[in-house]
Amino acid sequence: IAGITQAPTSQILAAGRRMTLRCTQDMRHNAMYWYRQDLGLGLRLIHYSNTAGTTGKGEVPDGYSVSRANTDDFPLTLASAVPSQTSVYFCASRAPGQSYGYTFGSGTRLTVV
Amino acid sequence: RKEVEQDPGPFNVPEGATVAFNCTYSNSASQSFFWYRQDCRKEPKLLMSVYSSGNEDGRFTAQLNRASQYISLLIRDSKLSDSATYLCVVNSHAGNMLTFGGGTRLMVKP
Repeated sequence: IAGITQAPTSQILAAGRRMTLRCTQDMRHNAMYWYRQDLGLGLRLIHYSNTAGTTGKGEVPDGYSVSRANTDDFPLTLASAVPSQTSVYFCASRAPGQSYGYTFGSGTRLTVV
Repeated sequence: RKEVEQDPGPFNVPEGATVAFNCTYSNSASQSFFWYRQDCRKEPKLLMSVYSSGNEDGRFTAQLNRASQYISLLIRDSKLSDSATYLCVVNSHAGNMLTFGGGTRLMVKP
């Protein structure tokens, strides 16, 4: 693994089903984030974690939950998927310090039908 | 008002042209600034950080104007491969969180 790995790459999911999007990084970054990106709406923050054991809500948290049991993993769970959650989901991490930007995973393209 | 605003474009320019994008931010306490590039159906990737004194990386020049709260990106001698969406990013919150602009789409034509 080099950087951030997201899985699956894409998924078609029936409405009402539960789904966990996986995100793993090997850079030992403390801060991690989940974004969704929709046409015309840009990147919107769902949840974040500043360090293992802590999480926080972003701009659009409803319908999503996260956990941060360790530094490397930051899974995003949709408890009961709805069509409005059809989107591209990006996981990101950031090294400590103001001068660093985010490193993004390659994304998960989710379609809820 | 959005925290970070960009003209969505598209900017259609011929190869070899010089093109500039601006981005405005609302939080005067913002401390760090970046430009990201995003290709279609790909993740955003860091293009360059923006320093107070301005900085250059090859054909790309970034500048920061704190008084007017805007950031600019200048691309000289545009290439077809520069076609992408350019995202302005600002650290406008305490801690590690970054705020993204909606992006400016650039299309470089032969």
